[in-house]
Amino acid sequence: AQSVTQLDSHVSVSEGTPVLLRCNYSSSYSPSLFWYVQHPNKGLQLLLKYTSAATLVKGINGFEAEFKKSETSFHLTKPSAHMSDAAEYFCVVRTLSNFGNEKLTFGTGTRLTIIP
Amino acid sequence: GAGVSQSPSNKVTEKGKDVELRCDPISGHTALYWYRQSLGQGLEFLIYFQGNSAPDKSGLPSDRFSAERTGGSVSTLTIQRTQQEDSAVYLCASSLYRGGETQYFGPGTRLLVL
Repeated sequence: AQSVTQLDSHVSVSEGTPVLLRCNYSSSYSPSLFWYVQHPNKGLQLLLKYTSAATLVKGINGFEAEFKKSETSFHLTKPSAHMSDAAEYFCVVRTLSNFGNEKLTFGTGTRLTIIP
Repeated sequence: GAGVSQSPSNKVTEKGKDVELRCDPISGHTALYWYRQSLGQGLEFLIYFQGNSAPDKSGLPSDRFSAERTGGSVSTLTIQRTQQEDSAVYLCASSLYRGGETQYFGPGTRLLVL
């Protein structure tokens, strides 16, 4: 079985300060991991993905995430928050079973608020 | 180029009626996915297609839900005898092929069952 836990439902940071959105996962198979962002009234947009290559993954808009197998974590970070980063962020784990079936599990989301 | 499109963008229906939601994936993408996002809850994976085939339908919430895909392109998600708890945003995504590839999401269909 696989699962994703986003440890914070809501994070508030001041503009210009670092952002940390936490994600822990569990998976029976080698997972692919993703972070998506959803701005109000818009569709999901891929921020970055990990697919068994480099463990430090750089994404769009200055975001990056580090895959830590020993900690089963895939936390999302950004050195300096911008007002436009205010949105909902989803951590996603994808696995393929031995039979080739794809299983995707989404976290419950973290709402990021930026304080001017 | 064109992204994933969904129609209608909004749908209001009465309890007990059937609804059809449509997804047009990116041209050439063989994998197609349906998700549901309910108010106050996270994203729920419903079903995926590889070509016209859906290997695993266990994510569909009940037997009132069905999905099909024809010609390896357009997909339709049908909800029969809608209930108020079906109210949600239904998202569609496509990827070049399943298995580690990036999914591109459509804008969603917002369904409200009165």
